Amino acid sequence: GEEVAQTPKHLVRGEGQKAKLYCAPIKGHSYVFWYQQVLKNEFKFLISFQNENVFDETGMPKERFSAKCLPNSPCSLEIQATKLEDSAVYFCASPKDLNTEAFFGQGTRLTVV
Amino acid sequence: KQEVTQIPAALSVPEGENLVLNCSFTDSAIYNLQWFRQDPGKGLTSLLLIQSSQREQTSGRLNASLDKSSGRSTLYIAASQPGDSATYLCAVKRDSSYKLIFGSGTRLLVRP
Repeated sequence: GEEVAQTPKHLVRGEGQKAKLYCAPIKGHSYVFWYQQVLKNEFKFLISFQNENVFDETGMPKERFSAKCLPNSPCSLEIQATKLEDSAVYFCASPKDLNTEAFFGQGTRLTVV
Repeated sequence: KQEVTQIPAALSVPEGENLVLNCSFTDSAIYNLQWFRQDPGKGLTSLLLIQSSQREQTSGRLNASLDKSSGRSTLYIAASQPGDSATYLCAVKRDSSYKLIFGSGTRLLVRP
């Protein structure tokens, strides 16, 4: 499809619970980037993939965050043992190549209570 | 470290006005620059992408310029409409990595 599909739209987790977010990139686009938006407009890069391979994971808090992109499945971002500070909107972006336009999904709003 | 700044943080204009949003970045070694709009509670909609070798891009009533050497980009919106009300974000992609670095946005309100 021509849209980046993120699910779920909203997710509420108690502190310490696991959260799993999904992103289906645009078909034929090789890259997936995950960003975290906190405090209205602060975007933080988390991780990127080229197809199934991690491209850049320098933004990932590795202790509790993990991500995968497997063939024929949506990409996923998982947070083990969520903390209050993980509350944010998580976006994924799907550029076809590294020098082309990045198309974003609608985001998943994670609220940790 | 690349920093991206957007001025003003908020802008309120009457319908029909032409307006300019500003974006500045500290490191001119960019790959490209992209302008987005974000409606409340929604995702990012890509408006324009300017490659580092380009000076401007146009789409409908929108025109974005890029001056890499001075670290500036502007987004010009002609004949603004209430439907243009949103937060406008600019983001740069550096040469050395391919992640986007975002400004903090300009919140635009176009009054009918």
